[in-house]
Amino acid sequence: QKEVEQDPGPLSVPEGAIVSLNCTYSNSAFQYFMWYRQYSRKGPELLMYTYSSGNKEDGRFTAQVDKSSKYISLFIRDSQPSDSATYLCAMSVSSNTGKLIFGQGTTLQVKP
Amino acid sequence: DVKVTQSSRYLVKRTGEKVFLECVQDMDHENMFWYRQDPGLGLRLIYFSYDVKMKEKGDIPEGYSVSREKKERFSLILESASTNQTSMYLCASRQDRNLAKNIQYFGAGTRLSVL
Repeated sequence: QKEVEQDPGPLSVPEGAIVSLNCTYSNSAFQYFMWYRQYSRKGPELLMYTYSSGNKEDGRFTAQVDKSSKYISLFIRDSQPSDSATYLCAMSVSSNTGKLIFGQGTTLQVKP
Repeated sequence: DVKVTQSSRYLVKRTGEKVFLECVQDMDHENMFWYRQDPGLGLRLIYFSYDVKMKEKGDIPEGYSVSREKKERFSLILESASTNQTSMYLCASRQDRNLAKNIQYFGAGTRLSVL
């Protein structure tokens, strides 16, 4: 079993839809949770960063962490074609070690 | 603005060749990382370096080595390329492991094909 599981999709939604992207994990020691966005032929860029459980909102994006269920989510409201990308969840046990564990990535397409 | 530059976007090499992938960051970051990205497997850590001349194995170091002679440059070396090393290679850097946020910044990637 992989430490971090992410549905690879692809996920296709109409413009304006609410998108939910999810990851589950098995290591209860994870405390730091991130979402990266990767456009085609580009490297990943950090989208959201959260510590421990709870919600964090940034514009149309909301990151949610439920440590009791070992489940994290990224919600995108009013999705736009420019949101079409691969979304990678990542997590780490400690803030000061280099090791991030990534999910497989979910490919999202938002159709105009 | 944060910038991580990988010297080649696309490379085609023959089996058995020695391959060098170069990565340069201009942010004075202490830590640098090499990953490979494969469909269905996500990003997997090959090697990382906390400082100049330091290196540590990641999860899949077999068949690879690295070099960090200068702070800004981190090279990934395939000693004898094999077809199973065909992949997208991503370099990343991070300011310092002692800072609170474990944020890594990525380059655009090098897509390597080994024939």
